[in-house]
Amino acid sequence: GQQVMQIPQYQHVQEGEDFTTYCNSSTTLSNIQWYKQRPGGHPVFLIQLVKSGEVKKQKRLTFQFGEAKKNSSLHITATQTTDVGTYFCAEYQAGTALIFGKGTTLSVSS
Amino acid sequence: EAGVTQFPSHSVIEKGQTVTLRCDPISGHDNLYWYRRVMGKEIKFLLHFVKESKQDESGMPNNRFLAERTGGTYSTLKVQPAELEDSGVYFCASSQGQEQYFGPGTRLTVT
Repeated sequence: GQQVMQIPQYQHVQEGEDFTTYCNSSTTLSNIQWYKQRPGGHPVFLIQLVKSGEVKKQKRLTFQFGEAKKNSSLHITATQTTDVGTYFCAEYQAGTALIFGKGTTLSVSS
Repeated sequence: EAGVTQFPSHSVIEKGQTVTLRCDPISGHDNLYWYRRVMGKEIKFLLHFVKESKQDESGMPNNRFLAERTGGTYSTLKVQPAELEDSGVYFCASSQGQEQYFGPGTRLTVT
């Protein structure tokens, strides 16, 4: 079945450094959603990308959807300790549910 | 607006016992989903209700899992009998559109 691959699995950065997580699919994605799960918490929706080449920003977070709609990235500029958690990409398949990547767990040291 | 709630937050049971998880979606949300995350792995889809009907249950691991959503409001997920590999965090989510709202999850430990 459809799989969304996400790398890296873990990333540790110093506060103030940048961070990027990548999602890839072997097939064209209809859309890509990004979720953040804080330690001990639950996934919280961040954003959805639908169009080829789409770029959206939320403060220090930049989300991109590839031209071929087979990959996506989330970039955080100047990380803060509040950014810690696991970031998941997921494809929403209409009529069914979200297909998640394995997530990237970000830790930040001050 | 109240979010998605789940009960219990934690459950520890022995292999062979039965456990029932409950999810109360956001009021008015027709779509209700169950997911499971086993430690270190991805969040996996279990099943999807639209109102009281099962839209897709292709992710249910086996017939030890039974989900219901009587009346199209809250949902229950029963595991009977529980096995060790059933341990994990069970999330419920609800939606009216494409954005899904997740509950806090139930952490199930089978010993």
